[in-house]
Amino acid sequence: DAKTTQPPSMDCAEGRAANLPCNHSTISGNEYVYWYRQIHSQGPQYIIHGLKNNETNEMASLIITEDRKSSTLILPHATLRDTAVYYCIVRVEIGNNDMRFGAGTRLTVKP
Amino acid sequence: DSGVTQTPKHLITATGQRVTLRCSPRSGDLSVYWYQQSLDQGLQFLIQYYNGEERAKGNILERFSAQQFPDLHSELNLSSLELGDSALYFCASSVDPSGAETQYFGPGTRLLVL
Repeated sequence: DAKTTQPPSMDCAEGRAANLPCNHSTISGNEYVYWYRQIHSQGPQYIIHGLKNNETNEMASLIITEDRKSSTLILPHATLRDTAVYYCIVRVEIGNNDMRFGAGTRLTVKP
Repeated sequence: DSGVTQTPKHLITATGQRVTLRCSPRSGDLSVYWYQQSLDQGLQFLIQYYNGEERAKGNILERFSAQQFPDLHSELNLSSLELGDSALYFCASSVDPSGAETQYFGPGTRLLVL
């Protein structure tokens, strides 16, 4: 399986961009990078996913390096409500939805 | 609101007992997944059903079982409960099991075994 490595915690000032890194050096060519977040003990919330191109939606942007060995999730203007654990996940294989959640990054947005 | 519902929200029971957790997927979603989140183990995939049939198995104990009914709702049955089964149990759903489909999670059931 491709595994991911994320820093355990990060802080960000409210209103600033939050850049959350993820390393996935053993990712395979057909594996997607997904980002989810979990606010307190709520159900994980889908944020964004991508294969090799950069992606943007109303919540965030995903930047994937050309060699696909790492990616960065960008929250352009972090708010206090973005305080959560952010999970970077590499899909094990197409057709298998067993998503392996690691420890994630605990992002704290400070006023 | 993800559109996935789970009942009950909270459940308190004793060791050795059996409980049933229920999940209703988003409208149109055929796949249901169950996850367990305990303090020391993080979020772990248990099992997946697609259109009534088991599709994938993760770290599910033999004391646990699940099924998906014709109306696509799913139940997770936990029996011979132990203290270590205390955890948050999440259900997620997606449209189908192939490709890069997004999973949408429910609010979870918090199980406390005393």
